[in-house]
Amino acid sequence: EPEVTQTPSHQVTQMGQEVILRCVPISNHLYFYWYRQILGQKVEFLVSFYNNEISEKSEIFDDQFSVERPDGSNFTLKIRSTKLEDSAMYFCASIRDDEKLFFGSGTQLSVL
Amino acid sequence: QKEVEQDPGPLSVPEGAIVSLNCTYSNSAFQYFMWYRQYSRKGPELLMYTYSSGNKEDGRFTAQVDKSSKYISLFIRDSQPSDSATYLCAMSAPGGQNFVFGPGTRLSVLP
Repeated sequence: EPEVTQTPSHQVTQMGQEVILRCVPISNHLYFYWYRQILGQKVEFLVSFYNNEISEKSEIFDDQFSVERPDGSNFTLKIRSTKLEDSAMYFCASIRDDEKLFFGSGTQLSVL
Repeated sequence: QKEVEQDPGPLSVPEGAIVSLNCTYSNSAFQYFMWYRQYSRKGPELLMYTYSSGNKEDGRFTAQVDKSSKYISLFIRDSQPSDSATYLCAMSAPGGQNFVFGPGTRLSVLP
């Protein structure tokens, strides 16, 4: 069964460092998303991406964040200068056009 | 008022019980309603998907949507210890790109 894959599963970084989280959405999907979940809290929307551009973003998604689809399969989230409060589980998700949102297994980001 | 509200639990039930999980929402534009199951430190897994009002059944799971009351439910029949997880409701409006999630209800099914 096709699935959204994310790498790495865990990422540890120092405060102020740049990190790139990687995702391979399901191949025939058209819309791509990043969500985050701080431990014990709700799943929060960060950004949606369609047709090679950001279609919507939340207030969490500030200038330190960027997304890119560098080729036909990968979808990345970059955090330019990480802060302690960026520590969270980051989920990539994708849909085709039927509003069924499928998630990857997540990247646990720890900022020290 | 929060956009989507959900009792966080924890909810503990004996094996075999019927479980009822609920969400309320405020945005009348929502038309797509989903339930996800999330095991600890894993990604949410889509369980049920419904469009507009009505019921949908899949095995031991039944999803209900009452748009007039802005209330959705997930019923789990013959609950199993493997059903122990956090259950998230999510919803979106037509043409919208932002899926809004409830905070999740933590369920424990005791053997």
